[in-house]
Amino acid sequence: NAGVTQNPKFQVLKTGQSMTLQCAQDMNHNSMYWYRQDPGMGLRLIYYSASEGTTDKGEVPNGYNVSRLNKREFSLRLESAAPSQTSVYFCASRQSIGAHEQYFGPGTRLTVT
Amino acid sequence: KNEVEQSPQNLTAQEGEFITINCSYSVGISALHWLQQHPGGGIVSLFMLSSGKKKHGRLIATINIQEKHSSLHITASHPRDSAVYICAVLNNNDMRFGAGTRLTVKP
Repeated sequence: NAGVTQNPKFQVLKTGQSMTLQCAQDMNHNSMYWYRQDPGMGLRLIYYSASEGTTDKGEVPNGYNVSRLNKREFSLRLESAAPSQTSVYFCASRQSIGAHEQYFGPGTRLTVT
Repeated sequence: KNEVEQSPQNLTAQEGEFITINCSYSVGISALHWLQQHPGGGIVSLFMLSSGKKKHGRLIATINIQEKHSSLHITASHPRDSAVYICAVLNNNDMRFGAGTRLTVKP
């Protein structure tokens, strides 16, 4: 099993450009998450999908959109990138709502200039 | 005040030392996770616990639900333990993270 995969691993964007971060998991998990990690701060939840067909805002959703394409894939879109969105983005998945272990992807390092 | 507070923020130890990292939280939880993030950036789950104590090799995690406090201990620390250790609390589908403790173990 590959676990949770993310693409791309690195990306540099100019202000105003758009891009989509891809995430896929092969563990048949119901719940998927997008986080951002900034220096000196804990991981912060951007959006999550508790199950296929549903998405909900997390702590810092502004400037982002998501799509739960199917049970495996959960993408994060930046429509008009801003320097404040420079961060490391992690996708994660978990079996379902409740106390289950969460698995993380390797991260995408995004720089917006 | 953050909902999840870790201490210390940074910790340097000599190889072989016993290490303790603390986590305090202010919200109700269904479980607490300890995560490890290596310099390459990947995050792996070390423990998930909702009561008592768990042990895996040289790592021990404890939680006191009444005091809303958890500790991660590393016995006989080794340079390969150098990483950022992150405490995260889970309430339903909402996971909140501490800022992490950066551990450096010197040979």
